[in-house]
Amino acid sequence: EAGVAQSPRYKIIEKRQSVAFWCNPISGHATLYWYQQILGQGPKLLIQFQNNGVVDDSQLPKDRFSAERLKGVDSTLKIQPAKLEDSAVYLCASSPGPWGDTQYFGPGTRLTVL
Amino acid sequence: QKEVEQDPGPLSVPEGAIVSLNCTYSNSAFQYFMWYRQYSRKGPELLMYTYSSGNKEDGRFTAQVDKSSKYISLFIRDSQPSDSATYLCAMKTGTASKLTFGTGTRLQVTL
Repeated sequence: EAGVAQSPRYKIIEKRQSVAFWCNPISGHATLYWYQQILGQGPKLLIQFQNNGVVDDSQLPKDRFSAERLKGVDSTLKIQPAKLEDSAVYLCASSPGPWGDTQYFGPGTRLTVL
Repeated sequence: QKEVEQDPGPLSVPEGAIVSLNCTYSNSAFQYFMWYRQYSRKGPELLMYTYSSGNKEDGRFTAQVDKSSKYISLFIRDSQPSDSATYLCAMKTGTASKLTFGTGTRLQVTL
């Protein structure tokens, strides 16, 4: 069974530029999560999708971050414009059901904002 | 005060040692507890998942939950160099799927 796929693996941008990350969850998993992991910290949930609907985006900085999961499968997370403090690893996870008990993580995208 | 507190380490132990990793939490609504292992430049991988107070064993790993003290532990027996990683505790309430993570403890098992 293929795992959660993410691309790109690494991205370096200047502040105020925009960037997009892509995630393809495990086949058949209805729930998809985007996390931000700052160096030395645990992952922090940014947004959770159930199929193509948003379940929780309470910690998403909506003035600069956006995410979509149009067909209920893969998802993109965008930052526009980026700030220095957005430097982090962006992790995508998926789970078969809605309760978050068993989440499978992708390898992450490491973003550096200069 | 953070909802979940975890000593960041690093913790260095010799091969074969018993490792004890711990987290404390303040939210009494947390009912489900997990331990994830994260190797360098990889995503977290679920190791253990527990619900009730008490112990759960899986091979060399034992997860322990004490809800009365709001304290969870992960024990690793016969530690191996391949266990060197960051260990993250995570927890959730019974009504939401959002996970709240600790900061992670970096473990180094030396030969």
